[in-house]
Amino acid sequence: ELKVEQNPLFLSMQEGKNYTIYCNYSTTSDRLYWYRQDPGKSLESLFVLLSNGAVKQEGRLMASLDTKARLSTLHITAAVHDLSATYFCAVTSNFGNEKLTFGTGTRLTIIP
Amino acid sequence: NAGVTQTPKFRVLKTGQSMTLLCAQDMNHEYMYWYRQDPGMGLRLIHYSVGEGTTAKGEVPDGYNVSRLKKQNFLLGLESAAPSQTSVYFCASDGRRGSEAFFGQGTRLTVV
Repeated sequence: ELKVEQNPLFLSMQEGKNYTIYCNYSTTSDRLYWYRQDPGKSLESLFVLLSNGAVKQEGRLMASLDTKARLSTLHITAAVHDLSATYFCAVTSNFGNEKLTFGTGTRLTIIP
Repeated sequence: NAGVTQTPKFRVLKTGQSMTLLCAQDMNHEYMYWYRQDPGMGLRLIHYSVGEGTTAKGEVPDGYNVSRLKKQNFLLGLESAAPSQTSVYFCASDGRRGSEAFFGQGTRLTVV
């Protein structure tokens, strides 16, 4: 069964600092997603990564995918308060019915 | 575009009551999912569907049933609600072909 692990689970950062969230998964997949969730809200899509070596950037966020290592990273550059949220990665397996499985989430708090 | 719409947004049930949550999508997506989100638990897959007339169990299916009689609708039923089913429920649809899953706004269910 597909397992998706994120770390860290909680992250407090100072504004202006850089940090990386990691997403590991347990089976072959070339389809990985990153989502953002604000408190009390639904999930908002950030990135779709569909191949080994894929890199996507939006503002201060950059996501990458290494399918051989079964690892995706979400890098935050010069954090600002507006980035405070919970970030989820999600993966579909290349085998079977490809259900979408989520990581446990990383709660990011940006401190002024 | 409506995207993914969940009905209702809030509901309070007494233990033992039944109810149905409706998810409707207007994007002609094949895949649809029901997740529940509890504090500190991330999103856990309840049931999912890979097309009209199909359903499959996810990670936490007990106490729930689903139906996908029409492609655009995915219904989640609770036959006899229990306090352990107090949660926020999210529906999502996914068209694959490289696109992300889109989420509804969530249903906050309280069972007393």
